[in-house]
Amino acid sequence: GAVVSQHPSWVICKSGTSVKIECRSLDFQATTMFWYRQFPKQSLMLMATSNEGSKATYEQGVEKDKFLINHASLTLSTLTVTSAHPEDSSFYICSASGGRMGDSYNSPLHFGNGTRLTVT
Amino acid sequence: KQEVTQIPAALSVPEGENLVLNCSFTDSAIYNLQWFRQDPGKGLTSLLLIQSSQREQTSGRLNASLDKSSGRSTLYIAASQPGDSATYLCARGMGFQKLVFGTGTRLLVSP
Repeated sequence: GAVVSQHPSWVICKSGTSVKIECRSLDFQATTMFWYRQFPKQSLMLMATSNEGSKATYEQGVEKDKFLINHASLTLSTLTVTSAHPEDSSFYICSASGGRMGDSYNSPLHFGNGTRLTVT
Repeated sequence: KQEVTQIPAALSVPEGENLVLNCSFTDSAIYNLQWFRQDPGKGLTSLLLIQSSQREQTSGRLNASLDKSSGRSTLYIAASQPGDSATYLCARGMGFQKLVFGTGTRLLVSP
């Protein structure tokens, strides 16, 4: 089956530094990728949607200048948390689809294993 | 506000029991309803997807139903096993694969 690889699986960084998280589709072309954030004992919250070659669409309340998303190729999307603060500590998960907006909304989604970010 | 609520928040059962997890949503205008499994510190595994025109889906020991009029979905797990222990998330499909997730049910099946 389709596999989405997310790296790193965990990262600890100091406050004020930036962290990049990668999400790769290993055996399919991911035209659309989604980035979620999950705080402890809470559910996943969608942060942004990115389509290959275009700017990401951010959900309300998500700072686009703080959470930089790049989806420059059909197999790779990156999320960069800039000037990280302790409140950014969370579990970040990506998902990928081979479809585009306007395609079937029932196309399968494939999730990465997530990245645990701890900002000290 | 499009909310998805799951009850119970946690459930502990002995092996072999049949169990039901509940999911409710506030807006009946959905594209689909999906159930996922999440193991600790891991990503999500898709279990079942029910399209808005369907009423239920089955996969092995799992059966999920959807009642749009009442805003409810249930996940039925038959003959539970210790390997079923995980957090189960339901998600409401809003648009092109945009999902609103529920709060999850943490299931523990003891041998």
